[in-house]
Amino acid sequence: EAGVAQSPRYKIIEKRQSVAFWCNPISGHATLYWYQQILGQGPKLLIQFQNNGVVDDSQLPKDRFSAERLKGVDSTLKIQPAKLEDSAVYLCASTPVGGGGEQFFGPGTRLTVL
Amino acid sequence: GENVEQHPSTLSVQEGDSAVIKCTYSDSASNYFPWYKQELGKRPQLIIDIRSNVGEKKDQRIAVTLNKTAKHFSLHITETQPEDSAVYFCAPTNGNQFYFGTGTSLTVIP
Repeated sequence: EAGVAQSPRYKIIEKRQSVAFWCNPISGHATLYWYQQILGQGPKLLIQFQNNGVVDDSQLPKDRFSAERLKGVDSTLKIQPAKLEDSAVYLCASTPVGGGGEQFFGPGTRLTVL
Repeated sequence: GENVEQHPSTLSVQEGDSAVIKCTYSDSASNYFPWYKQELGKRPQLIIDIRSNVGEKKDQRIAVTLNKTAKHFSLHITETQPEDSAVYFCAPTNGNQFYFGTGTSLTVIP
């Protein structure tokens, strides 16, 4: 079984630029999560999708961050414009259904904002 | 939102000794209690979990105990090995909201 795929693996941009990350969850997994993990901290949930609907985006900074999962499969997370404090690893995870259970994480995208 | 704390934040043990990490949470509706291991530069991976109808679960050298009344659960690693060195996160959830703890950095000294 293929795991969660993410791209790119690394990205370096300057502040005020835009960036997008892509995630393809495990086939058949209905629930998809985007996390932000700042160095030395635990992952922080940004947004949770159930199929193509948003379940929770309460911690997503909506003035600069957006995410979509149009066909209920892969997803993109965008930052526009980026700030220095957005430097972090962005992790995508998926589960077969919602309601708790093991989350399968992708390798992450390491973003550096200069 | 959920308030999740882990103690200690760092832990060093001699190889072969035991390690215990405690996670406290605030949401009484939490019903799933996993522990994730994250090695440097790698993704978090589930190592053990427990649901609210069970008080203890063991898998070889790893065990998790749950005290719902006191709102805490603990990770126990026995006969530690150098490859156990990593950061460990708890992530209690009510199924709708997901909060990870701040992490415990475990170092096993050979």
